[in-house]
Amino acid sequence: DAKTTQPPSMDCAEGRAANLPCNHSTISGNEYVYWYRQIHSQGPQYIIHGLKNNETNEMASLIITEDRKSSTLILPHATLRDTAVYYCIVGGAQKLVFGQGTRLTINP
Amino acid sequence: SAVISQKPSRDICQRGTSLTIQCQVDSQVTMMFWYRQQPGQSLTLIATANQGSEATYESGFVIDKFPISRPNLTFSTLTVSNMSPEDSSIYLCSVGAGYYGYTFGSGTRLTVV
Repeated sequence: DAKTTQPPSMDCAEGRAANLPCNHSTISGNEYVYWYRQIHSQGPQYIIHGLKNNETNEMASLIITEDRKSSTLILPHATLRDTAVYYCIVGGAQKLVFGQGTRLTINP
Repeated sequence: SAVISQKPSRDICQRGTSLTIQCQVDSQVTMMFWYRQQPGQSLTLIATANQGSEATYESGFVIDKFPISRPNLTFSTLTVSNMSPEDSSIYLCSVGAGYYGYTFGSGTRLTVV
């Protein structure tokens, strides 16, 4: 079973920051938090991942709480092309178990 | 990160037949993963394929229905056997990609009629 809980859907205005929450209260000490997105049933696309510290790359920022029980993916300036299903996944080196994800809709 | 080529991209098959899906990676990888995505649903892991050993199947999936081959470190196949309409799904392969997590193929969209 998936170890994460995400809201099923969210809306965000184009140009604004999209903040996607994820709860992972049973995360183990050596498990990473991964974020992927899937557009139009294409293969999932890697966005970012982290262990303890906040991370930032050219796509997004990942904020992980100090107790590591939750995290937030931030898309700083959402565009229409960011409309997708976003998956928060907790895992290690062995395998990824997907939850239901959040369907993010960016509105003009 | 690794680049995955998955074939076929889509197929329409008659019930009772079998389809073999190929996954080719541009670099050597230890573990390859096969997922199924049923219409409107999230991804479900079918099995993990390690080179040189039998695949490890997740609960609800059996080797007779989804036989997997892993002849070398860059290639794997998944066969969907004795298909029924309930097998209509997108099938995806994935590999670990080091720091960048996991890379996914573009998927095989299977329709069973």
